[in-house]
Amino acid sequence: DAKTTQPNSMESNEEEPVHLPCNHSTISGTDYIHWYRQLPSQGPEYVIHGLTSNVNNRMASLAIAEDRKSSTLILHRATLRDAAVYYCILRDNAGNMLTFGGGTRLMVKP
Amino acid sequence: DTEVTQTPKHLVMGMTNKKSLKCEQHMGHRAMYWYKQKAKKPPELMFVYSYEKLSINESVPSRFSPECPNSSLLNLHLHALQPEDSALYLCASSQARVEGNYGYTFGSGTRLTVV
Repeated sequence: DAKTTQPNSMESNEEEPVHLPCNHSTISGTDYIHWYRQLPSQGPEYVIHGLTSNVNNRMASLAIAEDRKSSTLILHRATLRDAAVYYCILRDNAGNMLTFGGGTRLMVKP
Repeated sequence: DTEVTQTPKHLVMGMTNKKSLKCEQHMGHRAMYWYKQKAKKPPELMFVYSYEKLSINESVPSRFSPECPNSSLLNLHLHALQPEDSALYLCASSQARVEGNYGYTFGSGTRLTVV
């Protein structure tokens, strides 16, 4: 599996935008970029995914670099409930599985 | 129904006990997964079922025995576990296509303590 690199932790202020970076320099052409988050004491939750184009949904936006070697998850207005570990994962076509890396722990200050 | 339901939420078992974890989904997903998560670590894949057949076993010890009796149910049978097996056990489901253009749905997990 291609690997991703994320900062261990980030801090944000409530009601401000948050940009969570992810590097994936060895991404292949068929790898989808997935983001999941895990709130305390819960299972991971799907956030968003994309292949080449930027994607928006009700939870977040995903900005994908033109060379696809990096991506950024954007939370437009952070709330205290967004405090979680955010995982950036490359989903390849080699097998039907999702492999988690270390993730970024997002802390949101009131 | 867009949920994966795991029971029980908490389980304490002795090292000689036999217990089972249950996972259920009614989204028509034909791939189901077991993950193990230790404290402060990311989830680690244990097993993958695709169309009710075991397709991936990530070298999991035989004291963990998965079972997929039908397309909606996934069980994990536990026997002779060790204290280091204490963890959060997560179930997930997804479409069974190889290409990755879909999200995965996770349950809230079963927190297992082996004493």
